Amino acid sequence: GQQLNQSPQSMFIQEGEDVSMNCTSSSIFNTWLWYKQDPGEGPVLLIALYKAGELTSNGRLTAQFGITRKDSFLNISASIPSDVGIYFCAGRDNYQLIWGAGTKLIIKP
Amino acid sequence: NAGVTQTPKFQVLKTGQSMTLQCAQDMNHEYMSWYRQDPGMGLRLIHYSVGAGITDQGEVPNGYNVSRSTTEDFPLRLLSAAPSQTSVYFCASSPDGGIPFFGQGTRLTVV
Repeated sequence: GQQLNQSPQSMFIQEGEDVSMNCTSSSIFNTWLWYKQDPGEGPVLLIALYKAGELTSNGRLTAQFGITRKDSFLNISASIPSDVGIYFCAGRDNYQLIWGAGTKLIIKP
Repeated sequence: NAGVTQTPKFQVLKTGQSMTLQCAQDMNHEYMSWYRQDPGMGLRLIHYSVGAGITDQGEVPNGYNVSRSTTEDFPLRLLSAAPSQTSVYFCASSPDGGIPFFGQGTRLTVV
């Protein structure tokens, strides 16, 4: 099935570092969603984007809806231990919600 | 407010057994869906429902059945479990097919 290209697949970072991840697609989307999944839990919505060029923040998280409507990125500033988990992007066209494979964030001790 | 509740959280089945994964939501959402999550593959849609009495297939429906007799409940049935169905299953609901809210998942192992 169709998937978004989400990168990187995993990230090893030091506490306090900034983090950046992105999703790209060959399709145009109307909505971009970013979720976080903690171990043993279901995904939880972080940010929803509805317009090309839109830049939205949620605390230390910032996400943007790409101008071409084919990509989106998520930045996390000054990472802390509770940021560990898997981050998923999802894009919606007129018919369906397509999911990225996830970015696993690991903080080096 | 419980949101989306899935039971059981863990299950081990033998090949060929059948079982039902339960999902209930208390948000009066019309749209409900089932996903499976496998390592490196993100979330794949199994079945979905846009309202009571209406269901449709998603990306990977084979081996699974669903029904939606009420707005609140959307059970997923495995007819004859196979090792390839070892996965983590998530139920989600949304008011209009927009942003899905997820349950905590059911981790299923088929031996």
